Amino acid sequence: EPEVTQTPSHQVTQMGQEVILRCVPISNHLYFYWYRQILGQKVEFLVSFYNNEISEKSEIFDDQFSVERPDGSNFTLKIRSTKLEDSAMYFCASSWGQGLEISNQPQHFGDGTRLSIL
Amino acid sequence: GESVGLHLPTLSVQEGDNSIINCAYSNSASDYFIWYKQESGKGPQFIIDIRSNMDKRQGQRVTVLLNKTVKHLSLQIAATQPGDSAVYFCAEIPNFGNEKLTFGTGTRLTIIP
Repeated sequence: EPEVTQTPSHQVTQMGQEVILRCVPISNHLYFYWYRQILGQKVEFLVSFYNNEISEKSEIFDDQFSVERPDGSNFTLKIRSTKLEDSAMYFCASSWGQGLEISNQPQHFGDGTRLSIL
Repeated sequence: GESVGLHLPTLSVQEGDNSIINCAYSNSASDYFIWYKQESGKGPQFIIDIRSNMDKRQGQRVTVLLNKTVKHLSLQIAATQPGDSAVYFCAEIPNFGNEKLTFGTGTRLTIIP
């Protein structure tokens, strides 16, 4: 079964450094997402991406964050100057369509990148 | 404000028994609901979804029930197995055309052998 893959599985970075988290969404999917989960808390939406542009973002997704689809398969999340509070699991997800298009189109998640900021 | 919450944080069930996990939501305009399973060290795994124009949907060993009157969602797992042990989240898409999933806090289901 096709799946979303994320690399690396664990990233340790010094505070203030830039970090890039990588994702390969399911190949025929059109919508791409990043979520994060701070330890012991809910999964929180960060950003959605469609047709090579951001379609929605949360208040968490400030100017330090950016996303890119540099080629036909990868989808990246960049944090420019990391802070201690950026430590979390970051999940990439993709879907064929939005929730109510044509038929049910759920978002499928990767196994995440654990980001640890020191 | 909008919220998706769960009644119980933990649930223990004897292997082979049925389990029911509950979820309350506050946004009556929500259109689409999904149940995810999250095992330790893994991402949320899609289990089953339901639209607001339905009140029941069945999958393999799982059934989702939606009661829009009381804004309540439940996940029933039949004949539980050790592999069902995980954290279960309900998630909603609040509005038509909206893309972000709003997740609940999760219920940890433990299957007792």
